[in-house]
Amino acid sequence: GQQLNQSPQSMFIQEGEDVSMNCTSSSIFNTWLWYKQDPGEGPVLLIALYKAGELTSNGRLTAQFGITRKDSFLNISASIPSDVGIYFCAGTNTGNQFYFGTGTSLTVIP
Amino acid sequence: DVKVTQSSRYLVKRTGEKVFLECVQDMDHENMFWYRQDPGLGLRLIYFSYDVKMKEKGDIPEGYSVSREKKERFSLILESASTNQTSMYLCASSPVSGNTIYFGEGSWLTVV
Repeated sequence: GQQLNQSPQSMFIQEGEDVSMNCTSSSIFNTWLWYKQDPGEGPVLLIALYKAGELTSNGRLTAQFGITRKDSFLNISASIPSDVGIYFCAGTNTGNQFYFGTGTSLTVIP
Repeated sequence: DVKVTQSSRYLVKRTGEKVFLECVQDMDHENMFWYRQDPGLGLRLIYFSYDVKMKEKGDIPEGYSVSREKKERFSLILESASTNQTSMYLCASSPVSGNTIYFGEGSWLTVV
């Protein structure tokens, strides 16, 4: 199946810095999802976006649904050590077929 | 909150053994999925079920089968485990009316 292009692949940042990552697709989606996966655990849904141009926040996390419907962005402000993990995006047009990004590995240096 | 529960978090099995991975969701979702996650390969769909007793092959169904006898339960079966099936297996569910997918905690399977 199609994999979405996610960048950067990995990030090493200092605690307190802001983080930006993005996800692009060759196809349009009507829903973009962002997940965080801690080591050895399953992915946890962070933010769901359902409308082109939508900007949604969840605490220090903000995600945007690109207006072309082919991309999405996730920002984390003032990073803390517990932000460490793998973040990945997902896109879908139905409830039964999902496409996933390759993941961004985030390391936060205290 | 949506809860997807995978009964076994860590398993070690021998080559040739039959392996059952069980998954239960408590949100009455119609759709359930089994994915495999490997470093560098991302999430790959093994099987998908959209209703009781209904299933569709995903991208990598070879060596696997599934069972969905009840709406809340979706089982992944490895008929004869092989070392190349050592992986993290993720169960997930989604409602047919909504475009959001929820994952279980994952099952780490090691085949020796």
